[in-house]
Amino acid sequence: EVQLVESGGGLVQPGRSMKLSCAASGFTFSNYGMAWVRQAPTKGLEWVATISYDGSSTYYRDSVKGRFTISRDNAKSTLYLQMNSLRSEDTATYYCTRDEYYGYNYYFDYWGQGVMVTVSS
Amino acid sequence: DIQMTQSPASLSASLGETISIECRASEDIYSNLAWYQQKSGKSPQLLIYAANRLQDGVPSRFSGSGSGTQYSLKISGMQPEDEGDYFCLQGSKFPFTFGSGTKLEIK
Repeated sequence: EVQLVESGGGLVQPGRSMKLSCAASGFTFSNYGMAWVRQAPTKGLEWVATISYDGSSTYYRDSVKGRFTISRDNAKSTLYLQMNSLRSEDTATYYCTRDEYYGYNYYFDYWGQGVMVTVSS
Repeated sequence: DIQMTQSPASLSASLGETISIECRASEDIYSNLAWYQQKSGKSPQLLIYAANRLQDGVPSRFSGSGSGTQYSLKISGMQPEDEGDYFCLQGSKFPFTFGSGTKLEIK
């Protein structure tokens, strides 16, 4: 059974940093691209960042580029999101997701339970 | 960025009723469209990928259709457990974007 378990969230002051982790199990982690998706309270979903299966390629939404870094440790089957210079608008539940492809079709097939990040003084 | 316009924002359906939710992309996304269900306090669950392919384990009353810029999710025979929020996702081009969501309730 595929499991994605996020950790590392909480309350942080604006301008500070926080690092999220996602422990993966139930599949061969090193074969899959992974992503972070967030959801602000009572809002819709927003893709944040994606990393390729081997970590060689990363992609970010403009609003986090230069502040957030997605990375992975395939030996530990763990995905990370380092978040620096946090802003109030980064307040959200952050989901770890697994990338899947069907031909040229890309989607997220499994999601973690989510971890809440609150940026406030 | 590709904008995903989802409608309706909310929907109330009777048990057994057939409903449809639409997503319109601001440009051709070549069937690179997925649908998700999110129940209150839970993470999203994949229903449909590649516009019309049913994810394993998802009931057959769910179906997807569409091409180009217009896509739809149909539930044929509303069940109590279908209450929740529904989102579409375009995976055609970075940044990937979601529809704004449809809240589906039992009438």
